[in-house]
Amino acid sequence: DIQMTQSPSTLSASVGDRVTITCRASQTINNWLAWYQQKPGKAPKLLIYRASSLESGVPSRFSGSGSGTEFTLTISSLQPDDFATYYCQHYNTKYPYSFGQGTKLEIK
Amino acid sequence: QVQLVQSGAEVKKPGASVKVSCKASGYIFTSHYVHWVRQAPGQGLEWMGIISPSDGFTTYAQKFQGRVTMTTDTSTSTVYMELSSLRSEDTAVYYCAKARGSWYEDYWGQGTLVTVSS
Repeated sequence: DIQMTQSPSTLSASVGDRVTITCRASQTINNWLAWYQQKPGKAPKLLIYRASSLESGVPSRFSGSGSGTEFTLTISSLQPDDFATYYCQHYNTKYPYSFGQGTKLEIK
Repeated sequence: QVQLVQSGAEVKKPGASVKVSCKASGYIFTSHYVHWVRQAPGQGLEWMGIISPSDGFTTYAQKFQGRVTMTTDTSTSTVYMELSSLRSEDTAVYYCAKARGSWYEDYWGQGTLVTVSS
């Protein structure tokens, strides 16, 4: 199985900061990677697919990059609504489509 | 608009089974796979498996092999996930999610809390 590892597990930042979350795959997944945002008590929300494609309706301050085994999610200028937990997930042809363990973005 | 509406919360005893439903609307049901993902209290997301409504193809995470069964009813655009031999560690919110094609999840149900307790 492909293992997904996110770092950091927790990130403290302030409104207006630029933040980056990293996701590493245990083997190459080309660019078959998605990012999700989850707020407490809510279902996850798709932000990015195919590593760098922004889902419709998602603010342009979110961006994704990477290919192969290393990927990043960047928020260019944090807004109050962005404090949440973020997950990466591979969807390479090899099941299971595992998630990273999550990164909790907290207000500093 | 795409909607996935799941059945309500369940309380089960250890050793019992639970069957969660997920009714889809707003898109062509047979054109998109459906994922099941669970989240234990305070924990991350755990992918359980996927089903193709068009032909019933399923793949399950190895952890759940032998205990989980995913089925579909195309007449009602509903997907079901049944988990058997429940234990306390199965207490979680269970989500269904529409796949974009057969890939990542783009729309999610509201979640169903399953509590396993004696």
